[in-house]
Amino acid sequence: GDSVTQMEGPVTLSEEAFLTINCTYTATGYPSLFWYVQYPGEGLQLLLKATKADDKGSNKGFEATYRKETTSFHLEKGSVQVSDSAVYFCALSLNTNAGKSTFGDGTTLTVKP
Amino acid sequence: DAGVIQSPRHEVTEMGQEVTLRCKPISGHNSLFWYRQTMMRGLELLIYFNNNVPIDDSGMPEDRFSAKMPNASFSTLKIQPSEPRDSAVYFCASSLYGQGRIHEQYFGPGTRLTVT
Repeated sequence: GDSVTQMEGPVTLSEEAFLTINCTYTATGYPSLFWYVQYPGEGLQLLLKATKADDKGSNKGFEATYRKETTSFHLEKGSVQVSDSAVYFCALSLNTNAGKSTFGDGTTLTVKP
Repeated sequence: DAGVIQSPRHEVTEMGQEVTLRCKPISGHNSLFWYRQTMMRGLELLIYFNNNVPIDDSGMPEDRFSAKMPNASFSTLKIQPSEPRDSAVYFCASSLYGQGRIHEQYFGPGTRLTVT
């Protein structure tokens, strides 16, 4: 079946450090890929997305590139801030099953001043 | 748009009581998803609907859980009777499903359920 594997956390960084959270996927078709972010006490919200190979999604300084050859969608940010502290979820969705998404387990990021 | 609306935001109840969680999806969305999140199990998909019809309820943990979607703008998740292990944050999410669309989901703020 479809699955998403994320880098295990927690991840702790100092402010202005470079961030990478690894995500790889297994899918039977050609999925769309997503990163969601969950701030404390809130629901998940879409951070960025990519729909086909070599697409780069970007938002708020975060980027991820859809790599079909390595089935990966790693999240990166050049300089993290304390306000980026949250849980990050990688997810995929195929054009079936009413748009159901398969989520990774989430990676907790803490950024220290 | 108000986004996905869930009520109540917090619910504290005693074991054995019936609990009903409510969700109003984003207007125009045709798919609705119920999730449960705990520290131990993470984010679990319980059930999802398309055009008000349940598509897959294989994630519903027990017969004590049931969900309905009587119309396009309202869904409920009911637990009867509730047990302490049902304590979790329950999220509702909606999306617009169709050919050629990107199926990102929009999550509500969640209902934090505590069963004592």
